[in-house]
Amino acid sequence: AQTVTQSQPEMSVQEAETVTLSCTYDTSESNYYLFWYKQPPSRQMILVIRQEAYKQQNATENRFSVNFQKAAKSFSLKISDSQLGDTAMYFCAFMKRGLIGSGGSNYKLTFGKGTLLTVNP
Amino acid sequence: EAEVAQSPRYKITEKSQAVAFWCDPISGHATLYWYRQILGQGPELLVQFQDESVVDDSQLPKDRFSAERLKGVDSTLKIQPAELGDSAMYLCASSLVAGGDNEQFFGPGTRLTVL
Repeated sequence: AQTVTQSQPEMSVQEAETVTLSCTYDTSESNYYLFWYKQPPSRQMILVIRQEAYKQQNATENRFSVNFQKAAKSFSLKISDSQLGDTAMYFCAFMKRGLIGSGGSNYKLTFGKGTLLTVNP
Repeated sequence: EAEVAQSPRYKITEKSQAVAFWCDPISGHATLYWYRQILGQGPELLVQFQDESVVDDSQLPKDRFSAERLKGVDSTLKIQPAELGDSAMYLCASSLVAGGDNEQFFGPGTRLTVL
């Protein structure tokens, strides 16, 4: 079974500064996807960034970028120029193709426990 | 912008009662997911539908939980009877089809409190 570990339950950063959230995972698969999701207080979860394991280039989305180290099974999220609206719970998630039932398949997301990020003014 | 709708947003019930949650996915999304998120943890998949068929319900406690998506559109998750340990946020998500290339869009969730 896949596991996702986020070792930082809480972090804080000053507005406009840079912060890095850590994530490690355990799998024997070679092809999979990794994600960072953001869950703001009392609002729905949204996708921040996605990385395909076979792509060596780290994904970037505006102020968000990842450091994907496949051999180390590490997938950290860097947020640059932090904004107050970045305050949220951040979840790292892993997805692989799984075989189930009568030869069917699904793609199951496995989440870490999350890191609560607070951006201070 | 299309969103996943869920109702109710909050539900308080007593132990041994029945509860039901409703989800309306984004129009055209074939895959629908129900997750349970216990306070302080990440979501855990309970059941996944592809159209009206269950693809994965391996983590669904089938003695008390049931889920259906009769017409392949909206879905209902039911708990009967509710237990104290069922207190959690129940999230619904949908995607065009299953797979890492297809983003899962989440609804606002239903927060269940069992007394």
